[in-house]
Amino acid sequence: VQLVQSGAELKKPGASVRVSCKASGYTFTDCYIHWIRQTPTQGLQWMGWIDPNNGDTHFAQQFEGRVAMTRDTSINTASMELTRLTSVDTAVYYCARDRLRGGDFDYWGQGSLVTVSS
Amino acid sequence: DIRMTQTPSSLSASVGDSVTITCRASQSVSNFLNWYQQKPGKAPKLLIYTANSLHSGVPPRFSGSGSGTDFTLTIDSLQPEDFATYYCQQSYIDPRTFGLGTTVEIK
Repeated sequence: VQLVQSGAELKKPGASVRVSCKASGYTFTDCYIHWIRQTPTQGLQWMGWIDPNNGDTHFAQQFEGRVAMTRDTSINTASMELTRLTSVDTAVYYCARDRLRGGDFDYWGQGSLVTVSS
Repeated sequence: DIRMTQTPSSLSASVGDSVTITCRASQSVSNFLNWYQQKPGKAPKLLIYTANSLHSGVPPRFSGSGSGTDFTLTIDSLQPEDFATYYCQQSYIDPRTFGLGTTVEIK
């Protein structure tokens, strides 16, 4: 199992960022993909999940209206887009797999650093 | 949201020591409690799921226990590669929440 994420991004305040997560080594539609971000001050923050089987999503309330999660089953890739960026969104963003056995994240992407700075 | 409180926030130990990390949830999470290990610059790795189940490939010196609101992660006979930060996470209800971490340092 591997989750390979897109590279680091530098964005200006007010812009949007899209991070992708390519899955391999398992059946992509069998497991949810979650997005989690990490900062030194806030720690690990769960952002939401997408069901690659049907595209259903569920987001943490603090990101509602600002986040979108999509998937492309033809290339086994999930993506997360965050809009209206501010400096507070500077973080490492991770995708992680959920096998729906207990809600744990058994495999993680390597992380994508998003820096928001003018 | 369910608040996850880990204690201690850091500890110093020697190779061969046994260490215990505690995680308390602000309300019951049944056994939907998971533990991760993270090393600097790397993604977290799953160690224990549903409170006491060892993830594939994780050495048996790691063990978890607890249910409801109180949980522990024990590392028997610390190895050099075990010096890292450990996080608990509840998967009982969304939003999934994590503790702030416990850093295990070399004494």
